[in-house]
Amino acid sequence: NAGVTQTPKFRILKIGQSMTLQCTQDMNHNYMYWYRQDPGMGLKLIYYSVGAGITDKGEVPNGYNVSRSTTEDFPLRLELAAPSQTSVYFCASSSRLGTSGRSQGETQYFGPGTRLLVL
Amino acid sequence: RKEVEQDPGPFNVPEGATVAFNCTYSNSASQSFFWYRQDCRKEPKLLMSVYSSGNEDGRFTAQLNRASQYISLLIRDSKLSDSATYLCVVRPGAGSYQLTFGKGTKLSVIP
Repeated sequence: NAGVTQTPKFRILKIGQSMTLQCTQDMNHNYMYWYRQDPGMGLKLIYYSVGAGITDKGEVPNGYNVSRSTTEDFPLRLELAAPSQTSVYFCASSSRLGTSGRSQGETQYFGPGTRLLVL
Repeated sequence: RKEVEQDPGPFNVPEGATVAFNCTYSNSASQSFFWYRQDCRKEPKLLMSVYSSGNEDGRFTAQLNRASQYISLLIRDSKLSDSATYLCVVRPGAGSYQLTFGKGTKLSVIP
């Protein structure tokens, strides 16, 4: 299993350009997530998906869009890049949510990240 | 009060030392608790879940105090390879899809 893969590893964008960050998982996980991590800050959830065709906003969705046409893929789209979107973007997946008590199966597996610089 | 707070460190400890990190969370309804490890310029990886009764995994011990709303991680016999940033992570409530991440505590184990 490759786990969670992300492309590209690094990208420089000019203000106003658009791009799609790719994320693929081969663990047949239903749940997938996009986070951003700014220097010295905690990860912030951008969007998440609980299954193919279902997506919802996280804490910081403005400026981004997602789609989930298959279980495996969860691309993140930036339409009009802004300097504030300079960050490291992590995709993650998990098999299910825990309900209470022991949290088996709740582990989120992260991809290696995409470093984005907007100039 | 921030949702998940951690001392950012850095904690600089010699090999073989015991080091402890604490984390506080603001949402008393939080259901699930975790410690993740993040190496420099790498993705976070689950270190261990934190159970109400406390749990141990080799040199690592995690404790949860619901009354005081804090979580702790104890590392015994520190190794150079333990150098990383340790993230305290909380799921706000049952059925919530979102995890709340602390900013992390940086540990450097010195030879």
